[in-house]
Amino acid sequence: DTGVSQDPRHKITKRGQNVTFRCDPISEHNRLYWYRQTLGQGPEFLTYFQNEAQLEKSRLLSDRFSAERPKGSFSTLEIQRTEQGDSAMYLCASSASGATYEQYFGPGTRLTVT
Amino acid sequence: AQKVTQAQTEISVVEKEDVTLDCVYETRDTTYYLFWYKQPPSGELVFLIRRNSFDEQNEISGRYSWNFQKSTSSFNFTITASQVVDSAVYFCALSEAFGNEKLTFGTGTRLTIIP
Repeated sequence: DTGVSQDPRHKITKRGQNVTFRCDPISEHNRLYWYRQTLGQGPEFLTYFQNEAQLEKSRLLSDRFSAERPKGSFSTLEIQRTEQGDSAMYLCASSASGATYEQYFGPGTRLTVT
Repeated sequence: AQKVTQAQTEISVVEKEDVTLDCVYETRDTTYYLFWYKQPPSGELVFLIRRNSFDEQNEISGRYSWNFQKSTSSFNFTITASQVVDSAVYFCALSEAFGNEKLTFGTGTRLTIIP
């Protein structure tokens, strides 16, 4: 069991550019979550997948954000036309449904928009 | 709407002292889950405990203990005989029991253990 992995760990981009992050959940976990954490705050929910279906999106997720989970395995989070306010840590978590309930988090992708 | 409040922004204690981190939550659900996560300087959130709303028994795991009181909507975390490795930001979180079970986090408490 290798845990949740995220790539890249750090991304610096210029305002207006598009960025894409990847998350590989723990194998056999069918639930996958994206959260965003800004400095001094707790993580905030962005979106949730059950297998390949995106079942909920937060109001925080503007139209510039899109997430996918093809075939119910890894997931990608894309931000188009980045803004300085997008600078944050983007966290991915996965969990199994049913009795095993804990969400296990990856190391995160730190995005800096200059 | 769900809300988690961690009023203590930062706490510093000398090594070997006991320390309690407070967590107060709000929810309209009758069934829910409470969590504590640790975020060390490396940044990765580490799961510590999950508690469901029907189980108010206190739990002890080594130097860690948790006190869940439904009457005061609190889920406090105590570290006994603190160690330098306990230095981290600790988050309390709440989730609904059904649906997508997304986590609602507090703002965290930064704990510094002074050697």
